[in-house]
Amino acid sequence: EPEVTQTPSHQVTQMGQEVILRCVPISNHLYFYWYRQILGQKVEFLVSFYNNEISEKSEIFDDQFSVERPDGSNFTLKIRSTKLEDSAMYFCASGGRLATSYNEQFFGPGTRLTVL
Amino acid sequence: AQRVTQPEKLLSVFKGAPVELKCNYSYSGSPELFWYVQYSRQRLQLLLRHISRESIKGFTADLNKGETSFHLKKPFAQEEDSAMYYCALQEGGDSGSARQLTFGSGTQLTVLP
Repeated sequence: EPEVTQTPSHQVTQMGQEVILRCVPISNHLYFYWYRQILGQKVEFLVSFYNNEISEKSEIFDDQFSVERPDGSNFTLKIRSTKLEDSAMYFCASGGRLATSYNEQFFGPGTRLTVL
Repeated sequence: AQRVTQPEKLLSVFKGAPVELKCNYSYSGSPELFWYVQYSRQRLQLLLRHISRESIKGFTADLNKGETSFHLKKPFAQEEDSAMYYCALQEGGDSGSARQLTFGSGTQLTVLP
């Protein structure tokens, strides 16, 4: 069964550095998402992407964040200048093979980002 | 803005006992409600959604619009049900939009032998 994959599984970086988190959504899905979960807190929505553009974004998704689908398969989240508070588990999700009345989202295993 | 509340962070029951994981939501429109489960060291996966009204692994959940609740229930818990359970809400509306999920804080269920 196809799954969403994410790399790396764990990323350690210094504060102020740029990081790129990578995701390969399930092929022929139409919608792509990034969520994050700070340790001990709830899963929070960051951004959704559809038809090669951002569909929705949360307050968390400020100018330091960007998303891209550079080659039609990968879906990346870039954080330009990481802060300590960016340390979290980042989940990618994809969904919406067809336009239906709901949009089941399939999650990747997550990338744990640690900012030192 | 929508909100999902799961009042219990931790819940322990004995094997064979009934279990109910509570979920309340706040949303002005017609939401779509889901339960996601995360077993140890595994990814988040969809357990069930209210519109399908199905039973998965013996779990059911009924949307109560009057009480704005979507509690997850199972009559006889099994040890393999031990996991983190998240209630999630998605805005209803245009089926073509990439609608975000709003998650509750999760309930860690432990089923004791």
